[in-house]
Amino acid sequence: NAGVTQTPKFQVLKTGQSMTLQCAQDMNHEYMSWYRQDPGMGLRLIHYSVGAGITDQGEVPNGYNVSRSTTEDFPLRLLSAAPSQTSVYFCASRALTGGRTGELFFGEGSRLTVL
Amino acid sequence: GDSVTQMEGPVTLSEEAFLTINCTYTATGYPSLFWYVQYPGEGLQLLLKATKADDKGSNKGFEATYRKETTSFHLEKGSVQVSDSAVYFCALRGDDKIIFGKGTRLHILP
Repeated sequence: NAGVTQTPKFQVLKTGQSMTLQCAQDMNHEYMSWYRQDPGMGLRLIHYSVGAGITDQGEVPNGYNVSRSTTEDFPLRLLSAAPSQTSVYFCASRALTGGRTGELFFGEGSRLTVL
Repeated sequence: GDSVTQMEGPVTLSEEAFLTINCTYTATGYPSLFWYVQYPGEGLQLLLKATKADDKGSNKGFEATYRKETTSFHLEKGSVQVSDSAVYFCALRGDDKIIFGKGTRLHILP
């Protein structure tokens, strides 16, 4: 049971480059989300989705794009990376129906460095 | 908007000491409340939760009670172990979003 899978685990970019962080879950969860984790700032919500074709902004959406074409996948795109986007990124999903709707399941994280 | 405030760390305790990590929240309506734990190099995992006022969540010897009157959800454990060393996050779910506090790093000394 893979759960939430993120790729890549590590990435180094130069300022202005673009990239996509991939996230896939095999639990048929309706809800998927992206967080960034920075020292002293905890986890901050970037974007989230409650189902295919539906996305919404979180606390810190600027500089990031998302789409949700399938239930399983929720990629996070950086169109023009900036040093301020150096962080550890976590994808998380949860069910919106059924008995365990509160619990978020997290991927292992992707560490991004922007030079 | 919704927010979570938790005590800053790091918190350093000796093994078998009593632990309290404070958490207070601001939210409209009646949110569900959670504690998540992050071990080094890993993602977060759910430790316990409470969905309504006066509920007590518990797991692995940790407990937290949903106090609506004080808007709090403090995490407690009677006797900590070295293996409890981790970062602990308080979180709330108001509508669909889950908002986290900044985390409290806990060090347990043998």
